[in-house]
Amino acid sequence: GAGVSQSPSNKVTEKGKDVELRCDPISGHTALYWYRQSLGQGLEFLIYFQGNSAPDKSGLPSDRFSAERTGGSVSTLTIQRTQQEDSAVYLCASSLNTGVGEKLFFGSGTQLSVL
Amino acid sequence: GQSLEQPSEVTAVEGAIVQMNCTYQTSGFYGLSWYQQHDGGAPTFLSYNALDGLEETGRFSSFLSRSDSYGYLLLQELQMKDSASYFCAVSGNTPLVFGKGTRLSVIA
Repeated sequence: GAGVSQSPSNKVTEKGKDVELRCDPISGHTALYWYRQSLGQGLEFLIYFQGNSAPDKSGLPSDRFSAERTGGSVSTLTIQRTQQEDSAVYLCASSLNTGVGEKLFFGSGTQLSVL
Repeated sequence: GQSLEQPSEVTAVEGAIVQMNCTYQTSGFYGLSWYQQHDGGAPTFLSYNALDGLEETGRFSSFLSRSDSYGYLLLQELQMKDSASYFCAVSGNTPLVFGKGTRLSVIA
């Protein structure tokens, strides 16, 4: 596609429910990243994929968070048993590879609200 | 670990010049990037510095001093549309780590 696409753009859920967030990267981009941004804050790294593998999962806040990427393309971030502190904008980015100084292309994010 | 410091807010007048600073602590430093984010929008790449000195792209310039662990973004001929948040980010042994950003408000 022309850019990184994320869905849904907004998600409201009840505490304790599971949610799935989807990211469709730019075609041909092998690296995919998930970040989280709380209101007025910076971008918190969650996880990145090189192809289908995730060399770095160090940013996942807890074992309630998981992500997968299939076919070297679409990625899904799953949050189980959501908590109110999970409310944030979840941003996905892709790049051609994980080379140093690589330019990241971001999607518009999913605004998650946990009630 | 890695950490970055940026002033939280800055206000400048349309047509003026503004400098936004970034200091960092990191291991395995490779370079410093800058991203712009308008309210409700996606961050977009502005520049990347791997070597000391100034890089210029139109009205935007970015500077890096590796010995001082310091960089800045310089915006000239400010326009109202430049009102946004600006994030510095370091490339190191981990995927890109971002600062908390500087919110720039351009006033008439």
